[in-house]
Amino acid sequence: KQEVTQIPAALSVPEGENLVLNCSFTDSAIYNLQWFRQDPGKGLTSLLLIQSSQREQTSGRLNASLDKSSGRSTLYIAASQPGDSATYLCAVERGGADGLTFGKGTHLIIQP
Amino acid sequence: SQTIHQWPATLVQPVGSPLSLECTVEGTSNPNLYWYRQAAGRGLQLLFYSVGIGQISSEVPQNLSASRPQDRQFILSSKKLLLSDSGFYLCAWRSQGARNTIYFGEGSWLTVV
Repeated sequence: KQEVTQIPAALSVPEGENLVLNCSFTDSAIYNLQWFRQDPGKGLTSLLLIQSSQREQTSGRLNASLDKSSGRSTLYIAASQPGDSATYLCAVERGGADGLTFGKGTHLIIQP
Repeated sequence: SQTIHQWPATLVQPVGSPLSLECTVEGTSNPNLYWYRQAAGRGLQLLFYSVGIGQISSEVPQNLSASRPQDRQFILSSKKLLLSDSGFYLCAWRSQGARNTIYFGEGSWLTVV
């Protein structure tokens, strides 16, 4: 059974810092990995999707990497801003129609 | 463009009462549809998914059921709610095919009292 772990569970940093969120998964036979953002009491917004054949994806100040063989992914946020405060969720896709397996998320606070 | 609507946004229901959460998707055809639950302190758990009208797959045994009466409509139901059914319920969709981004609705907060 696939398990997804995110470290740290919570993180608080001053504005402007670069930071890294970590995600690990137990079964390396994945089709893709996605990073999501969730604001309090809201749904999820997809940030980046990395296919299993890719090593990284970039969108603005966000960069996600994938090392499928070791079962790890990182989300790098450059020059953090207070608006980046949210919970960040990592999820892996095993294929087929049955959706994603999620980690419990990293609750990020960027201090102004 | 595609949109997903989920309602009600919030509800408080007594133990033993029925439940109906509704989700509709616009701007696409034959999507895969999903119901997830996010309980306090836990990750998102997949409850049901559907690849077509009347086709429902359940990931975990529970007090809930799902139905897909129309191509773009997905309903989550219960005949008798339990306290443990409280949580944040999220509907999601994506196009057929395993490599597409999945899109979530705004969620429904359910408190069973």
